[in-house]
Amino acid sequence: EPEVTQTPSHQVTQMGQEVILRCVPISNHLYFYWYRQILGQKVEFLVSFYNNEISEKSEIFDDQFSVERPDGSNFTLKIRSTKLEDSAMYFCATALQGDYEQYFGPGTRLTVT
Amino acid sequence: SQQGEEDPQALSIQEGENATMNCSYKTSINNLQWYRQNSGRGLVHLILIRSNEREKHSGRLRVTLDTSKKSSSLLITASRAADTASYFCATDDRGNQFYFGTGTSLTVIP
Repeated sequence: EPEVTQTPSHQVTQMGQEVILRCVPISNHLYFYWYRQILGQKVEFLVSFYNNEISEKSEIFDDQFSVERPDGSNFTLKIRSTKLEDSAMYFCATALQGDYEQYFGPGTRLTVT
Repeated sequence: SQQGEEDPQALSIQEGENATMNCSYKTSINNLQWYRQNSGRGLVHLILIRSNEREKHSGRLRVTLDTSKKSSSLLITASRAADTASYFCATDDRGNQFYFGTGTSLTVIP
């Protein structure tokens, strides 16, 4: 069964550094999402992406965040100048259409020290 | 803001019993989705129910949706130890922004 994959599984970075989290969507899916989950808290929506542009973004998704699909396959989340509070699990999700089931990747655990 | 809220926050049952979890939300939705998350792992999609549907089944899962009450329930019948996980509902706000609730932590005791 097709699945969403994410790399790396765990990323440790120092405060102020830039990180790029990568996601490979299910091949025929058109809608892409990033979520984060701070340890012990609920899953929070960050951004949705369709047709090579952002559809929606939450208040969390400020100027330090950006997304792109540089090569038509990978879907990336870039965090510029990471902060301690960016430490969380970051999940990518993809869907065939905007109101269809979202399939989640296994997540990337980001630790900012 | 649109937000799914599940109750109870925690539920502990014996294997073989049924587990019922509820979700409430605030604004109009296109659909509501239920997910399972095992500790420290990713989210597994369980079932999607659209705003014009009232009930949906998938295996041992039964989901209901009452748009007049802005609530949904997830019933797991004949629970198994492997069902131990956190269960979340997620709603959209008729846009492309999705909201997860705080989850129900289910423990099934063998």
